[in-house]
Amino acid sequence: DAKTTQPNSMESNEEEPVHLPCNHSTISGTDYIHWYRQLPSQGPEYVIHGLTSNVNNRMASLAIAEDRKSSTLILHRATLRDAAVYYCILDQTGANNLFFGTGTRLTVIP
Amino acid sequence: GAVVSQHPSWVICKSGTSVKIECRSLDFQATTMFWYRQFPKQSLMLMATSNEGSKATYEQGVEKDKFLINHASLTLSTLTVTSAHPEDSSFYICSAECESCVLIRDSFTDTQYFGPGTRLTVL
Repeated sequence: DAKTTQPNSMESNEEEPVHLPCNHSTISGTDYIHWYRQLPSQGPEYVIHGLTSNVNNRMASLAIAEDRKSSTLILHRATLRDAAVYYCILDQTGANNLFFGTGTRLTVIP
Repeated sequence: GAVVSQHPSWVICKSGTSVKIECRSLDFQATTMFWYRQFPKQSLMLMATSNEGSKATYEQGVEKDKFLINHASLTLSTLTVTSAHPEDSSFYICSAECESCVLIRDSFTDTQYFGPGTRLTVL
């Protein structure tokens, strides 16, 4: 399985932008890059996904490197409610079998 | 839109009993649902893929006779933990694949929506 590598934890001050990196050097040409986040004692929540081009939605932006071996999830203004574990996942087969790694625990400092 | 519910949200049972957990897609049809398990301070682990009208596909190391999955309709999948033991205590999470799911404010397709999880404690 193609793996992703993320920092275990990151901190951000409230109302500042946050850039969450993810490395996926073994990504194949048809793999989508998905980001989910999980708040404590809740199921994961979809954030964003993309294939090659950068993507924007109401929650975040996804910047994908030209060689697709890395990507960055961008939260434009971190709030306390953004404190969660963020997972970067490759959708390998196109069948949406999501294999979660350890993710990045984001702490937002008031 | 694209809401997935689970019932119950938590359950405590005695060792040896069976527990059924329901996963429903409330406002969309899901031909494929997934079941995950998450132990404290760990990541989610995919247990099985549930396809409507057919047998579930289990991940390596997951006992299909212990974790019975039924996906009888396009909006309901159930996971039954048979003869539960304390080591089965975990947070069980389902997700439903929303094919061509277009929302009003955000447009995205072919993504998974997760339920809120069911916390199982086996005494």
